[in-house]
This record gives sequence, C-alpha cells and structure tokens, in this order.
Amino acid sequence: NAGVTQTPKFQVLKTGQSMTLQCAQDMNHNSMYWYRQDPGMGLRLIYYSASEGTTDKGEVPNGYNVSRLNKREFSLRLESAAPSQTSVYFCASFPRQGPYEQYFGPGTRLTVT
Amino acid sequence: QQQVKQSPQSLIVQKGGISIINCAYENTAFDYFPWYQQFPGKGPALLIAIRPDVSEKKEGRFTISFNKSAKQFSLHIMDSQPGDSATYFCAATNDYKLSFGAGTTVTVRA
Repeated sequence: NAGVTQTPKFQVLKTGQSMTLQCAQDMNHNSMYWYRQDPGMGLRLIYYSASEGTTDKGEVPNGYNVSRLNKREFSLRLESAAPSQTSVYFCASFPRQGPYEQYFGPGTRLTVT
Repeated sequence: QQQVKQSPQSLIVQKGGISIINCAYENTAFDYFPWYQQFPGKGPALLIAIRPDVSEKKEGRFTISFNKSAKQFSLHIMDSQPGDSATYFCAATNDYKLSFGAGTTVTVRA
C-alpha cells in the first residue's frame, strides 16, 4: 500500500515550457486535490476532484489544468510555465467517508527559470 | 486572502517546554479543524483534529483548544521534544476542502 505517489520529485523548466505532474493513490479514495506550497503562504488549493469525472477550481487555478484520468490518478498540467509557478506541489486524496483526513503525497519541487 | 490566520510564524522552545500555536478564522461554515505536521522534504500529515462542538481535545502531548464564539483555536505541545521540530499548519474544512494557515516552524532545543 503506497498511499499517494507523485512523479517527478524534482523538475526544472524554462519559462514557456509545459509539463504534467502525475499523482496516483491506491486507497480507493473518491476525492483528490492539488496544492502548491510557498514560503509564508501555507498550502493553497489549485484544483480538486470531488469524485471521478468531476474537477473544480480551487483558490489559485490560473495557469494550470487538471485531468482526473480514473479513480486512482489525478494529473496537473502547466501549459506555459512561468517563474511565479516555482513552488512545491502536493497531491492529496480523501475518502469522503469517515475521519476528515487528507493524505498527502511526498511533493514535487518545481523550479521555473 | 487567507481564510485561516496563524501565529507565530516561528518559535523556539527548550526541550520539556510548551509550544503554543494560535489560529483564527472568519468563515462560520467551517466544520472541522485539523492540525497537520510537516517535516522537511515530506508531505503534511494529520496530527490531531477537533469538531466545533468540542472545546478541547487531547492526544498524548498534543492538545487542541477551541473557542467557537471567538472563532479561534490553538495547538499546545506539552513536554516538547527535539523530534517535534517541524512545521505545523492549522486548517479548517468546508465542503471537503481544506483552508490552511501559513504555518509555524517549531524548533525544540535540546
């Protein structure tokens, strides 16, 4: 049981390049989330998927797109990376039943130059 | 604009001392208040949580105090240990979405 996995762990992009961050969970959770973490800002919600087939914007969605590929996988795409998107990105999942605990992946550290 | 305000930004405590972190919120629709602990290079992990109909919850050395009328809640770490050195985030939940505070970096000196 790996929990929430993210790839890659580190990435450096040039301004204007695109990339997709991958996330998968093996806990059969319904909801999945993408956050970004910046110093002094806490974690801010980018997009979330309440259930398979649905996605919604969070607090800071501009410059990002998401795909809920199936119940296990939720990807985050940067179409044209900007230096302001330099951050640590976390994926999380949540069962929507039982305790209100979101399970976080290990994070992807992205630098845009 | 952050919906949950957290203070202090950082604190240093001696081993065996008490660490206190405070949070405040405005949105009365929040219905669950978790605290997350994060070690460097790792994702946050749930530490302890409380519902707004409870004024205090204790798990081991960690205690949440909740004041619904003041819309404030706090985390107390008793008998702080070097292994408690981490960043702590308060959060509030509404409709399965978490709003996080900015975080407090706690350093416990041996």
